[in-house]
Amino acid sequence: EPEVTQTPSHQVTQMGQEVILRCVPISNHLYFYWYRQILGQKVEFLVSFYNNEISEKSEIFDDQFSVERPDGSNFTLKIRSTKLEDSAMYFCASPSENSGVASSYNEQFFGPGTRLTVL
Amino acid sequence: ILNVEQSPQSLHVQEGDSTNFTCSFPSSNFYALHWYRWETAKSPEALFVMTLNGDEKKKGRISATLNTKEGYSYLYIKGSQPEDSATYLCALPSGSRLTFGEGTQLTVNP
Repeated sequence: EPEVTQTPSHQVTQMGQEVILRCVPISNHLYFYWYRQILGQKVEFLVSFYNNEISEKSEIFDDQFSVERPDGSNFTLKIRSTKLEDSAMYFCASPSENSGVASSYNEQFFGPGTRLTVL
Repeated sequence: ILNVEQSPQSLHVQEGDSTNFTCSFPSSNFYALHWYRWETAKSPEALFVMTLNGDEKKKGRISATLNTKEGYSYLYIKGSQPEDSATYLCALPSGSRLTFGEGTQLTVNP
């Protein structure tokens, strides 16, 4: 069964440093998401990405965050200057079919997550 | 802001017990409800996507029901096994995003 992979599985960084979290989605998928879960809190939406541009972003996704699909396979989330409160598990995901309207009805395939710890 | 609530927050059962937990959501503007199972150190895995009032779906010993008029879904596990230990998340789409509940953490003791 196809799977979503994420690297690294765990990243520790100093406050103010830049981090790049990488995801390899299921091939041929075009619609991608980043979510995060701060320990003890709900999984929360960060950004959706379709056809090589941001489709929707949450209030969390400020200027410190950016997403890219640099080479047609990897999907990256960059945090330019990390803060303590960015410590969380970050997941990428994509729906089982690629349709802008119907994606809400389709199950999401999640990666195993990257645990980011900001010291 | 879409508010999705799950209860209980955590649950401990003995192997062989049947159990259930709840996801509550606003009944207006309903499109779909997703249930995911998330084991530690693994990817959240889709269990069900439910769209119609009265829907009942089943996968092995796990089943789910949906009541869109009153705004709730139940997830049932029959004859719990230790491998069922996981966090069970429900989520509803809002725009292109999923909004999640806080999850129910199930521990099945052998």
